[in-house]
Formats: sequence, C-alpha cells, structure tokens
Amino acid sequence: KQEVTQIPAALSVPEGENLVLNCSFTDSAIYNLQWFRQDPGKGLTSLLLIQSSQREQTSGRLNASLDKSSGRSTLYIAASQPGDSATYLCAVPVSGGYNKLIFGAGTRLAVHP
Amino acid sequence: NAGVMQNPRHLVRRRGQEARLRCSPMKGHSHVYWYRQLPEEGLKFMVYLQKENIIDESGMPKERFSAEFPKEGPSILRIQQVVRGDSAAYFCASTGDRDGRNTEAFFGQGTRLTVV
Repeated sequence: KQEVTQIPAALSVPEGENLVLNCSFTDSAIYNLQWFRQDPGKGLTSLLLIQSSQREQTSGRLNASLDKSSGRSTLYIAASQPGDSATYLCAVPVSGGYNKLIFGAGTRLAVHP
Repeated sequence: NAGVMQNPRHLVRRRGQEARLRCSPMKGHSHVYWYRQLPEEGLKFMVYLQKENIIDESGMPKERFSAEFPKEGPSILRIQQVVRGDSAAYFCASTGDRDGRNTEAFFGQGTRLTVV
C-alpha cells in the first residue's frame, strides 16, 4: 500500500533563503509525482508534475527532482519570499490506471521578511 | 478557460440536513475526483467518476454519502443527514486524458462544509 511522507512538517525561515522540502513514497512503481501549493482556506494549485521517466522539472524559482529507485522527491525553492508562505503537498497516483492521488501531510512553510 | 469550479464555497448545515456540493470540471475534462480534507489532516480520496459512471468509490463512507456525474451538468457530492464529523473541506479535481494517471490533476477551490 502506497504511503507518502513529507518532512519537515513545518518550516520557518527568513526571506532570501534557499529551501529544500522532502517527499518520500513507499512504492517506487509510480507514473508521476505532483507538487501542489495550498494557501490557508484555499484550494490546491499545481506547481510541478514530474513524469516517472524524468529526473527533474523546473518552473521559475522552483525545481523538483525525482529519484524513483530511492522513493524520494525534493522541491527546491530558490531565494524564498514571504509570498511563498503556504503548505506544500506532494502526491502520487496509485497504480490502477487512473489519477487517484495519495497525498503527503504537507510541509507548512512560513517565510518572514 | 475557466478552471475547476466548485460551489458553494462555504456551506453551513444543521445536523440531520442534506448537503449538496457541486463541481464543474475544466472544459474538455471528463474525469472527476472528489477528496476530503478533515481539519488538521491531509487530503483523502473519496470517489472517481466519469460521465454517468462511478469508477472507484473506495474512499466513500458506506452510508449517507453518494456521488454522481450526469451526462449534462456538474458532478454532485451528496451527504445526507449530516453530522458534525462531516465538517471538512471537500475538493474536486479533474483530468482530461483517457489515460488519466499520466496527466496533471487540477483542483477547484473547495467547498468548506460546517455542520452546526
């Protein structure tokens, strides 16, 4: 049974730091891994989708890597800003042919000026 | 190109009433997934539907909860005789590809249900 774990659970940093958020999964037979951002009281915004054949994806200051064999993904945020404050979630689809997602509990990030 | 639309955004119901949550997927998307986020917990899958078909309802509570995605109109998540433990945020996601596992899931803003 697939389980997704995210560490740390919470992170508080000063503005400008480079950050690494971690996501691990127990079943390495995944099709893709998706990173989301959730602001308090809001929905989920898709940040990056990495296919199983890819090693990394980049979007602006965000870079996500995927190591299927070790069951890990990292989300790297460069030069963090207060506007990056949110909860970051990673999710993988379960095997079975459709996009039923298993989510980690998230990393709650606070970037202070 | 509107995203996934959910309404209402906030819903207050008294214990024993019915709650109806609506989700319109992104244009061209035919796969709809419902998730629930209980307070201080992660998102949990509830049900996966295609037009007029329930494909996987393994995450749905056995009683009081039902879902549909008719040929015309939005997908509906229905909760009968709500109890306080149903208070949560309910999110809908849609994907468009026939092979849904390889595509990006797009989420709506959610419906926050409060049972008083």
